Amino acid sequence: GENVEQHPSTLSVQEGDSAVIKCTYSDSASNYFPWYKQELGKRPQLIIDIRSNVGEKKDQRIAVTLNKTAKHFSLHITETQPEDSAVYFCAAGAMNRDDKIIFGKGTRLHILP
Amino acid sequence: EAGVTQFPSHSVIEKGQTVTLRCDPISGHDNLYWYRRVMGKEIKFLLHFVKESKQDESGMPNNRFLAERTGGTYSTLKVQPAELEDSGVYFCASSPTGNTIYFGEGSWLTVV
Repeated sequence: GENVEQHPSTLSVQEGDSAVIKCTYSDSASNYFPWYKQELGKRPQLIIDIRSNVGEKKDQRIAVTLNKTAKHFSLHITETQPEDSAVYFCAAGAMNRDDKIIFGKGTRLHILP
Repeated sequence: EAGVTQFPSHSVIEKGQTVTLRCDPISGHDNLYWYRRVMGKEIKFLLHFVKESKQDESGMPNNRFLAERTGGTYSTLKVQPAELEDSGVYFCASSPTGNTIYFGEGSWLTVV
């Protein structure tokens, strides 16, 4: 089955700087890569996703890149703000085959004032 | 449109007791998932329903866990008897086929 590795487990960045979280996956059939943000005590909230037919997607300060050959995908947050502090999870899945996603272990992002 | 709803939001039970968690998916979503996050660690897959059928239950930890989805609508996850290590947050999620997966707020279970 799919195995997703996520790094780093903890990340502290100065407010206004950029944050990068990296993930790798094992199943070459995976074609869907969502990123979820979980604030303390709340549900995982989808912030951005990318499918295997594109290499990059951007939504305001958030971007995701995908390298299918290397089975890597990354989340980039620019101009970080205090409200970006949360736990971020990457996930991967083979939609229309399994229709389920497997999560990485999460990255706790701290935005320092 | 209503999101994924879960009940109860919090539950404290004694070891050996039974707890039943309920999930109402977004209307029209054939896929329903149960995930669990224990002690602030990763979000682990438990099982996946497509309508009323169990598509994949490879993540269910043991036979103390029983999930059902009667009529392909809401789902229940029963833990019987509960053990201390079952404490955690149980998330339900739903999706249309091949599309975005939406999560509920979670059911926080504490076994004492």
